[in-house]
Amino acid sequence: QVQLVESGGGVVQPGRSLRLSCAASRFTFRSYAIHWVRQAPGKGLEWVAVISSDGNNEYYAESVKGRFTISRDNSKNTLYLQMNSLRPEDTAMYYCARGGSSGWFFDYWGQGTLVTVSS
Amino acid sequence: EIVLTQSPGTLSLSPGERATLSCRASQSVSSNYLAWYQQKPGQAPRLLIYGASSRATGIPDRFSGSGSGTDFTLIISRLEPEDFAVYYCQQYGTSPTFGQGTKVEIK
Repeated sequence: QVQLVESGGGVVQPGRSLRLSCAASRFTFRSYAIHWVRQAPGKGLEWVAVISSDGNNEYYAESVKGRFTISRDNSKNTLYLQMNSLRPEDTAMYYCARGGSSGWFFDYWGQGTLVTVSS
Repeated sequence: EIVLTQSPGTLSLSPGERATLSCRASQSVSSNYLAWYQQKPGQAPRLLIYGASSRATGIPDRFSGSGSGTDFTLIISRLEPEDFAVYYCQQYGTSPTFGQGTKVEIK
């Protein structure tokens, strides 16, 4: 069964940085695009970013463009999200999710890591 | 950005009943790139349907999706106790966006 395990969340002050990780197993990581999707407490889902299978292409939601950077290390089966200049509105559960075989839907999800931006 | 509007906000039904959930897009969704997810409290979302009507791996056939263009529907033919949850639609024809969710609760 596909496994995605996020880590790195925590409480951080506005304007500071945080890096999330997502460890993948039980599938061929280098063959799939991987996404970050977030969910503010009690709210709906928001797509954040995607990186192509080879790591050469990245796309971002307007709300995080210029502040967040998605990356991956296919030798370590690990995805990252570097979050800079954090804002209170970035407070959310952050999920990594595997991209579908035929488009940018999300066929497997991790359990999420909580990021709280507060002074 | 394509805005997805789900209705109703809450659906109160009994086990065994049929649930009909709607998702309307602000503009046409190309190639019917529309997915549905189920989310239970404290859990990650689970993919149910992609491509508007294709069931994901392991999803029971009581879940079915239909629609095209701007109007899409998820039907749960006979509600089981484990189906009471929040359901989200998502389009991926352009930069992905989600609907606000429909909560299916026990009547």
